[in-house]
Order: sequence, then C-alpha cells, then structure tokens
Amino acid sequence: SQKIEQNSEALNIQEGKTATLTCNYTNYSPAYLQWYRQDPGRGPVFLLLIRENEKEKRKERLKVTFDTTLKQSLFHITASQPADSATYLCAPASGGSYIPTFGRGTSLIVHP
Amino acid sequence: DTGVSQDPRHKITKRGQNVTFRCDPISEHNRLYWYRQTLGQGPEFLTYFQNEAQLEKSRLLSDRFSAERPKGSFSTLEIQRTEQGDSAMYLCASTQDSFSGNTIYFGEGSWLTVV
Repeated sequence: SQKIEQNSEALNIQEGKTATLTCNYTNYSPAYLQWYRQDPGRGPVFLLLIRENEKEKRKERLKVTFDTTLKQSLFHITASQPADSATYLCAPASGGSYIPTFGRGTSLIVHP
Repeated sequence: DTGVSQDPRHKITKRGQNVTFRCDPISEHNRLYWYRQTLGQGPEFLTYFQNEAQLEKSRLLSDRFSAERPKGSFSTLEIQRTEQGDSAMYLCASTQDSFSGNTIYFGEGSWLTVV
C-alpha cells in the first residue's frame, strides 16, 4: 500500500540554522509533490510544489529537492526564525486523479 | 477576503445526531476537496468534486457520510448518526485544476466534537 513517512519526532533547532525535513514515500509514482505549513488549529498553507522532472525548487528561504530514485523529498528552511515554528506536511500527488495524499507532518521548533 | 470559507468553525453534537458542514471555495475554482484530520495526523482524503461531479470517494467515507456540490459552487458534507470516532477537523480545499499542480487553498476547517 502507499505510504508517506515524515519524521514523527519534533525537530528542534536554533535560530539562524538551516532546518531540513524529510519525506519518504513508498509504492508511489508522484507526478508532483507539495509541501505545506500548518499552524495549530489552522488549515494547511501551500508553500512549494516540485514536479517529477525537477530536482530542486527554491522560494526565498525555502528549498525543496525531489529524488524519484530514492523516493524522497527534502525540505530546507535556511536562516530559520522562531516564526518558522509549525508543522510541515508533504503531499505527493500521483497522476490520474492528482489527489494530494498527506504525510503526518513534522513539527519544527526554532529556538531564539 | 476571498479565501476558502467553512461553516461552522466548531460544532459539538451528541452521538447519533446529524451534522452538516458547508464549504465555499474560491470562486472559479473547479476542483473541491474534503479532508479529515485528527490530532497528530496529516489530513486524510475523503472525497473530491470536479465542478458538480463527485469523482472519487475514499474508503474512509462510510455510508453515513454524504457530500454534494450543487451547480459546482459551494459544497456540503453531511454526517448522519454521528459517532465519537467522527470527532475531527474537517477541511475543505479548492484549486483551479490539479493537472499542472496549481496551488490548493485550504479553509480553516470545521471542528467536530461528538459527545
């Protein structure tokens, strides 16, 4: 069955450092993969999308990589700030219906 | 604000009662999704509409759940004979289309507590 794995333990880092979050998937051939941010009690907010034929995507302090051989995406936040503290969700979408399927998310805590 | 709107934001109901949630997507978005999320988990897909057509339903969507999107505009999600296991946040999302990977916009969710 299809499975999406994200670090279940919270990631604690110091302000200014780079945060790296991992998303691994199995039994999937996603056409693209999205990353979302979710704050407690709020709906997810779209951050970045990377397509299967793209290796890397950047947006301001965010960078996403996509390795279809390893079946893995990495999400990086450089120069992290306490305001970046949130849960980050990855959501691959397979061709056909293109329905995003979400991992359980990784909680990021940036300490001042 | 012209984002995705959900109503009510919070609902407490007794077991066995019926509840209905409404979602108003961003206008001209032809695809609408419903997801369910429980504490510590990611959103789980329930169903989606392409305009007014309900094209796919998850196995999670038991026969107590029904969703509609009349005229391809707003959508409703009804849960009949609620059970305590239905307690969750119900999220609605919309997008222009999904094939090119357009941004999906989520609402703030409707929290359901079944007591």
